[in-house]
Amino acid sequence: NAGVTQTPKFRILKIGQSMTLQCTQDMNHNYMYWYRQDPGMGLKLIYYSVGAGITDKGEVPNGYNVSRSTTEDFPLRLELAAPSQTSVYFCASSPQQGDTEAFFGQGTRLTVV
Amino acid sequence: GQQLNQSPQSMFIQEGEDVSMNCTSSSIFNTWLWYKQEPGEGPVLLIALYKAGELTSNGRLTAQFGITRKDSFLNISASIPSDVGIYFCAGHSGGYNKLIFGAGTRLAVHP
Repeated sequence: NAGVTQTPKFRILKIGQSMTLQCTQDMNHNYMYWYRQDPGMGLKLIYYSVGAGITDKGEVPNGYNVSRSTTEDFPLRLELAAPSQTSVYFCASSPQQGDTEAFFGQGTRLTVV
Repeated sequence: GQQLNQSPQSMFIQEGEDVSMNCTSSSIFNTWLWYKQEPGEGPVLLIALYKAGELTSNGRLTAQFGITRKDSFLNISASIPSDVGIYFCAGHSGGYNKLIFGAGTRLAVHP
């Protein structure tokens, strides 16, 4: 079972470059999330989606954008990469509202230099 | 905003010892979750707690949902080397599954 798949696993960006972190899930989950994890810290919510066509901001949305055109995919876009966006990014999904057991991908380690 | 205080930050124990870690919050949560993260991997759910006072076990792991709904603890009995990792608590207070995560407890187990 694939579960939640994130690509790429590693990426180095120069300041000002843009990129898209891909996330796809094959569990037909309605809810999807993007978190970032800074060294020694917990997970902070960037954006989330409750279904195709619906997205909303989390705790730390600045510098990011998302879209949810299908149930399966929830890409995260960085338009002008900054060193402060160096982090490990995790995508997660959960089946439905009220079911809070989120399943995580393996993460994307991003370094902005 | 809501915050979770997780302690201790790190633990270094001998194989076979018991481990206890906890999370506290100034806010009430409806759900407490405990995750484990191994190097290079995403967090994996260990235990989910849905009712105040609930005590739930998963093998050598036991977690409790505090009566005040503002805290939770996780115990690991008879630790083994594969218990190494970062343990995160997470709380959910309703709405669209906005999980709030603690900063994690790093566990090292010496054989």
